[in-house]
Amino acid sequence: QVHLQESGPGLVRPSETLSLTCIVSDYSINSGYYWGWIRQPPGKGLEWIGSISHSGTTYYNLSLKSRLTISLDTSRNQFSLRLNSVTAADTAVYYCARDRGFGFQDYWGQGTLVTVSS
Amino acid sequence: QSALTQPASVSGSPGQSITISCTGTTSDVGGYNYVSWYQQHPDKAPKLVMYEVTNRPSGVSTRFSGSKSGNTASLTISGLQAEDEADYYCNSFRSSGTLVFGTGTKVTVL
Repeated sequence: QVHLQESGPGLVRPSETLSLTCIVSDYSINSGYYWGWIRQPPGKGLEWIGSISHSGTTYYNLSLKSRLTISLDTSRNQFSLRLNSVTAADTAVYYCARDRGFGFQDYWGQGTLVTVSS
Repeated sequence: QSALTQPASVSGSPGQSITISCTGTTSDVGGYNYVSWYQQHPDKAPKLVMYEVTNRPSGVSTRFSGSKSGNTASLTISGLQAEDEADYYCNSFRSSGTLVFGTGTKVTVL
């Protein structure tokens, strides 16, 4: 059983950078697969943000690509999300997940709500 | 990046079968057998219930089945139970190397 846990601030000011970390337990992230982020605005559907392979190759949602960075920290067995220049439209529950490849996420974190507000 | 199209809601009585559709294009659903389905109960993380169109993860009820025809994938729930009431999302690999979710379907057990 793989465990994922998101961490980071719950409130971010407009125009600033949203930063989240996903800590992975019971599986070494450099052993394989992909590691991804998905978000869900309050009352709305899921949106794929992007993912990173165990070797560090990134894949981004084209609508977020200019503001987005996903990175790995294999020494701490975690991966991170940075989203620049946020607006209220970036308010959402952010989930991290293990992606087995080609789009199926078999393990998910519990999600963390990030609110963009002044 | 446009989402895959799902019906907003589907309902059925206990014991009945329902089917949720997920329509895309030849660049995603129609072009690859990489469609997955997720069940999400209120205030919970999504749970994988089907992957690569027809494969059911270990532990998922055999009442769930998947199929695809052309640009439309489908998830069928047989013998509908109260616990099946949830939101359901499809997801597909896309030719651009990205992923895309469906708009989501609320399943109601009458």
